[in-house]
Amino acid sequence: AQTVTQSQPEMSVQEAETVTLSCTYDTSESDYYLFWYKQPPSRQMILVIRQEAYKQQNATENRFSVNFQKAAKSFSLKISDSQLGDAAMYFCAYRSAQGGSEKLVFGKGTKLTVNP
Amino acid sequence: NAGVMQNPRHLVRRRGQEARLRCSPMKGHSHVYWYRQLPEEGLKFMVYLQKENIIDESGMPKERFSAEFPKEGPSILRIQQVVRGDSAAYFCASSRGTARSGEKLFFGSGTQLSVL
Repeated sequence: AQTVTQSQPEMSVQEAETVTLSCTYDTSESDYYLFWYKQPPSRQMILVIRQEAYKQQNATENRFSVNFQKAAKSFSLKISDSQLGDAAMYFCAYRSAQGGSEKLVFGKGTKLTVNP
Repeated sequence: NAGVMQNPRHLVRRRGQEARLRCSPMKGHSHVYWYRQLPEEGLKFMVYLQKENIIDESGMPKERFSAEFPKEGPSILRIQQVVRGDSAAYFCASSRGTARSGEKLFFGSGTQLSVL
């Protein structure tokens, strides 16, 4: 079974600075997807960024980018120019690309605080 | 286009009562997923349904829990004879097609179930 580990229960960053959230995963599969989700106090899960394992290029979405290291099974999220609205829980998630599996496997999350 | 709608947002039940959680997927979405989030934890997959069919229920407890997604109306997650350990946030997500086909998942804001 696949597992996702987020080793940082909490992180903090100054407004306008850059922060990196860590995520590692364990799988024997070669084809899969990785995600970062944001969960603000409203509780709704919001997709931040997605990475296909077969793509070597790291995904980017505006101020959000990932460092995907397939051999190391590492998938960190970098937030540049942090804003107060970035404060939230961040979850890393894995999904198999093999047939019949639709479920997301989540890590336990990292609580990000943004200081003004 | 309204997002994924879950109701109620908060549900309080006494031990032994039944809890019914509702999820209306986004318009045009025929795939529904239920996840449970315990305090300080990530989301855990419970069940995946398409219209009138349960596709994967590997994350559902064998007893007291059931889910349906009828041809008409919302998806229902039903918990019979609730116990304190069922207290959690229950999230619904929907998609237009399978996740493997690249379709994105959209999450609702969850139902917080509290068992007294």
